[in-house]
Amino acid sequence: SAVISQKPSRDICQRGTSLTIQCQVDSQVTMMFWYRQQPGQSLTLIATANQGSEATYESGFVIDKFPISRPNLTFSTLTVSNMSPEDSSIYLCSVRARKGEKLFFGSGTQLSVL
Amino acid sequence: GESVGLHLPTLSVQEGDNSIINCAYSNSASDYFIWYKQESGKGPQFIIDIRSNMDKRQGQRVTVLLNKTVKHLSLQIAATQPGDSAVYFCAEMSLGSNYKLTFGKGTLLTVNP
Repeated sequence: SAVISQKPSRDICQRGTSLTIQCQVDSQVTMMFWYRQQPGQSLTLIATANQGSEATYESGFVIDKFPISRPNLTFSTLTVSNMSPEDSSIYLCSVRARKGEKLFFGSGTQLSVL
Repeated sequence: GESVGLHLPTLSVQEGDNSIINCAYSNSASDYFIWYKQESGKGPQFIIDIRSNMDKRQGQRVTVLLNKTVKHLSLQIAATQPGDSAVYFCAEMSLGSNYKLTFGKGTLLTVNP
């Protein structure tokens, strides 16, 4: 399985600011994804991070609010823009390794917006 | 029981007992399923997976059963240990869907020593 590192692990932010979350994988992966987990809830897919092109967003998520970069096969960032308290969640990076269907998750970024 | 709002279904078992966690999935086109374990403050940890051409798969102390007729998935944990206490999620995917996982609500498993 791939080793996935997310930074920061947690942050407390002020309303109206933005936070960029980094996801670094120790090996090249075919696919990278970003999920959101609201308090006490299940996981919801935000977008698929595409290498070298714009991310593919799921219904209810837009690029202006959640810009995503993926400059290479091992790194991606998710920015949560113009934050409000409703953005308080855990944000998780997920990857599909080069072989097989298994999807693995990072440890997540716990975001609290005041 | 059913989850309402922020309340997860819960299962409480004694250490050493077997646990069965159930999941109803929604998409009849789903052909790949994964169980994840999520401990407090951590990301989901892969436990076991199963393809739709199988109805049972065994791992170490865990077994996943798939009933496609009623769209039901279960995770059986043998000889449950306190370290098994966590939230368990089932997730479904269609392999033709660009690997987009849809997660179930989750079940909180508490193991009493």
